[in-house]
Order: sequence, then structure tokens, then C-alpha cells
Amino acid sequence: EAAVTQSPRNKVAVTGGKVTLSCNQTNNHNNMYWYRQDTGHGLRLIHYSYGAGSTEKGDIPDGYKASRPSQENFSLILELATPSQTSVYFCASGEGTGQNTLYFGAGTRLSVL
Amino acid sequence: GEQVEQLPSILRVQEGSSASINCSYEDSASNYFPWYKQEPGENPKLIIDIRSNMERKQIQELIVLLDKKAKRFSLHITDTQPGDSAMYFCAARYGNEKITFGAGTKLTIKP
Repeated sequence: EAAVTQSPRNKVAVTGGKVTLSCNQTNNHNNMYWYRQDTGHGLRLIHYSYGAGSTEKGDIPDGYKASRPSQENFSLILELATPSQTSVYFCASGEGTGQNTLYFGAGTRLSVL
Repeated sequence: GEQVEQLPSILRVQEGSSASINCSYEDSASNYFPWYKQEPGENPKLIIDIRSNMERKQIQELIVLLDKKAKRFSLHITDTQPGDSAMYFCAARYGNEKITFGAGTKLTIKP
């Protein structure tokens, strides 16, 4: 089974602080994704990437930056965290063309106080 | 547009009966429609998917139907069991590998 590891698993941040969520995949997948999950909204796409060096805006990119320095790693950065960014964040990797099954990490629970 | 609408948001059915979840999408270029199941405290996992060149797909008790003309697709779980209680998400892939999810359906199987 594909392996996607997120860190940290839990994070408490202060308003205005910088938060970095990390994601590592060992599947050699080209595509990686960051979603947030909130009750009533399902999984909303923040940023995604086609490969090292690429980042694309998803449906709700405001307030977030992404970085894909390598095939394996994809980070989500909150430069100035706000309470509205309190959520559960999921990273996923996908094979790309053809069967694009997404393999999700275990999630990061972020609270911004 | 690239929205995916999913209904109902909450679904309760009797054990042994069928459960149906419906989704609609906006972009006629969408070509791949997966369904994910999420158990409490877990991450979402793929349970079944269908490509745009198919109208129906079945894996055991899971049936997916796709109506491209109406831009609708649906998941049907036959002979539901307690283990089917979970959150279910439909999704649609757009040509650029962007995958957009519906808002989810919380399914509860009543004994």
C-alpha cells in the first residue's frame, strides 16, 4: 500500500504565527495534493502539484502557500495563521494519468488560537 | 465550473436495505469519478471508481452509475451492513489532474 506521511499530527498555533505542514510520500507519485476537511464542506482542495518544482492553486488557496522541493515532499505553509484556518488537513499523492487513486496521509489537526 | 454537488448530507437506512448517494458535476470534460469512504478518525480511502467511457460498474455490493448527459453519478450500496456506516465522498477529476470532492454523506446503518 502507498505510504503518505504527514507531520505534525497535531499542532496548536497562535494567530499571526507561521505554520508549516509537511508531507512525504514514498510511492514515486507525480501528483500531490493538500485538502482541508471541515464539517459541512467535505474535502476542499487548497493546492496541488504535478511534480517537483510545481505548485498549482486549488479551490481555496487564499492564505496558504505550497512548496514541492522534491518528488517526495510537499509542504503547506500558513504565513500568518488565522483562527479560520483551524481544521484537519490531509495530504494525498496520486499516480497521475489513468488510474488516479489518491492515497491520503493520516491528517494533521491544526488549531489556531 | 468545477463544483461537485453531493446529496444527501445525512442518510440513515435499515440494515439489509440499499443506500443511494447522488452527485452532480459541472464540467463536461470531467473524465474520472471516484468514491471514497472515511471511517471515524481515519483518512479517506478509495472504494470504487468509474471512468467516463463507462455507464455502470459493480464491485461486490457497491454499484456506481454514470449519466454523462445529465452530468450525474451515483453510488448504491446494496444489502447494507453495520460496517458500511461511514462518511462517503464523491469526486470528479478534471483534465489537469485537479480532483474536487463533494461535501460528503454521513451514512448510518440502523440495526
